[in-house]
Amino acid sequence: GENVEQHPSTLSVQEGDSAVIKCTYSDSASNYFPWYKQELGKRPQLIIDIRSNVGEKKDQRIAVTLNKTAKHFSLHITETQPEDSAVYFCAATLYNQGGKLIFGQGTELSVKP
Amino acid sequence: DAGITQSPRYKITETGRQVTLMCHQTWSHSYMFWYRQDLGHGLRLIYYSAAADITDKGEVPDGYVVSRSKTENFPLTLESATRSQTSVYFCASSELDEQFFGPGTRLTVL
Repeated sequence: GENVEQHPSTLSVQEGDSAVIKCTYSDSASNYFPWYKQELGKRPQLIIDIRSNVGEKKDQRIAVTLNKTAKHFSLHITETQPEDSAVYFCAATLYNQGGKLIFGQGTELSVKP
Repeated sequence: DAGITQSPRYKITETGRQVTLMCHQTWSHSYMFWYRQDLGHGLRLIYYSAAADITDKGEVPDGYVVSRSKTENFPLTLESATRSQTSVYFCASSELDEQFFGPGTRLTVL
């Protein structure tokens, strides 16, 4: 089955700096890769996703890149702000399969003002 | 987000007791999921359901039972709770890709 590894487990940056979180997956059949943000005490919420027919996707200050050959994908946050502080989870699945997601272990991002 | 709810939000029980966590969604999503979240393990899938009366095991199903007689409800039962089942439980629903999570239930087994 699918296995997703996520690094780093914790990340601390200064406000305004960029943050990068990386994930690798094992099942080459996976073709949908979402990223979820979870604030302290809250539920996870989707912030961006990418499908395997796309190499990069941007939404304002966040972007995701995908390298299918190497089976890894990354989340990039530019111009970080204190409100970006949260736990971020990557996941992988087969698109249109009901979203049976396998999650990475999570990255706790701390943005220091 | 009010479309998916969980109850109770907090539960304390004792080892060996049966406890049921409820999940209800109003979107008529076909798919529903149960995850547990523990420090260092992220979100692990317990069970999922593709439709009413269709359920399947996830990564960590042992000690849990689910049912789905109606599309909108997906209860999770711990038949005989153990301390290792102390966790935060999230229910989620989806139609295709994006999963929408409930607010979570914090379960403590003493």
